[in-house]
Amino acid sequence: ETGVTQTPRHLVMGMTNKKSLKCEQHLGHNAMYWYKQSAKKPLELMFVYSLEERVENNSVPSRFSPECPNSSHLFLHLHTLQPEDSALYLCASSQKFGLAENPSTDTQYFGPGTRLTVL
Amino acid sequence: AQSVAQPEDQVNVAEGNPLTVKCTYSVSGNPYLFWYVQYPNRGLQFLLKYITGDNLVKGSYGFEAEFNKSQTSFHLKKPSALVSDSALYFCAVRAGSNSGGYQKVTFGTGTKLQVIP
Repeated sequence: ETGVTQTPRHLVMGMTNKKSLKCEQHLGHNAMYWYKQSAKKPLELMFVYSLEERVENNSVPSRFSPECPNSSHLFLHLHTLQPEDSALYLCASSQKFGLAENPSTDTQYFGPGTRLTVL
Repeated sequence: AQSVAQPEDQVNVAEGNPLTVKCTYSVSGNPYLFWYVQYPNRGLQFLLKYITGDNLVKGSYGFEAEFNKSQTSFHLKKPSALVSDSALYFCAVRAGSNSGGYQKVTFGTGTKLQVIP
């Protein structure tokens, strides 16, 4: 898990707060992901950045705002969240594009997650 | 649209017995297939993948998976289960492509494996 780090590991916030989740990958990958994992629900893909360009935005409410300043860092800015947003937020990275003679297999490597509680 | 089905929410197996966690998929063209494991309060960890070649793929912690193209399945197996194997297991698929461009990875809903001492 040292390849992908996430901070903070735990976060408790009120509905009017503004906070940010941070993800950093040390694997030299060119794609990064945000997932939401709620109890008894499937893993939900939120956002994908590939080569620092957002390529997936799966109908995520605007109270979640991603930022990818470079290929190693990914942020998720949170504001005016709701209690139902409480979940484990997972970051992942992968090498999505390789060379023609050595194509990437797109294996995703996950961080440990941020456990978010919205009061 | 591509999809992954993990038909069992939970699988219980006695320690020392063989285990199987089922996965079927739907994707255009040749698939890339993955298995991940998640321990409590942790992120997902990569176990193994099938890209091409031998249908039986060996991965971490003694796990293996068999790709069956005709049945569009990629079941995860282990000959002898350990209590420490108890975790949540996810299957994933994407379309295999060497032409570049973004390819989405789709995860299954997960199967909880409980190994009973």
